[in-house]
Amino acid sequence: DTEVTQTPKHLVMGMTNKKSLKCEQHMGHRAMYWYKQKAKKPPELMFVYSYEKLSINESVPSRFSPECPNSSLLNLHLHALQPEDSALYLCASSREAGARGYGYTFGSGTRLTVV
Amino acid sequence: KNQVEQSPQSLIILEGKNCTLQCNYTVSPFSNLRWYKQDTGRGPVSLTIMTFSENTKSNGRYTATLDADTKQSSLHITASQLSDSASYICVVIVSDRGSTLGRLYFGRGTQLTVWP
Repeated sequence: DTEVTQTPKHLVMGMTNKKSLKCEQHMGHRAMYWYKQKAKKPPELMFVYSYEKLSINESVPSRFSPECPNSSLLNLHLHALQPEDSALYLCASSREAGARGYGYTFGSGTRLTVV
Repeated sequence: KNQVEQSPQSLIILEGKNCTLQCNYTVSPFSNLRWYKQDTGRGPVSLTIMTFSENTKSNGRYTATLDADTKQSSLHITASQLSDSASYICVVIVSDRGSTLGRLYFGRGTQLTVWP
């Protein structure tokens, strides 16, 4: 298995809703990442998990709450989002954080629309 | 100033033609450089990965070059197909394990459109 699987592929949510994005990999990677990508822009790093511990939080608003239940799973919990949070959310994994990106693989993304 | 610059910003070519995309970077210390293809609304897919010592690497109709001295890379696409229409992103990874832990440096991408 050489894939990073993200679910759902599309999500529409209201500003008062609570939802979660899920990411899964079975490549034995110990680093997992969340990115946010707006249209026609490069991905922006949000969070880095290394060995299931949060190692980087790029000053992301608290309405985004990451969780790494185990080495294969990464969640992003969403609450009270704003319309400007609408974007493509990408998950990625690599063998280890800082290991020169060995095995760096992106998921297909979740297209989030906040109404 | 972005540390990874790509040109052109957009490109339109006819099906079957060749094209070359450029990437200049200032990120250091350099570890490796990657070219990704990203279809609209989808995640980036890796095309090539090049380390400091590699000058050229091919993947089917994609050929990447790297000049680590001038900090330039190019991606050449031969015999273009309609399915090549996508954004092509240059990504540089550093070798520093400190504050750059887990970071990729992205270019803004070249939007390629292939017309029939």
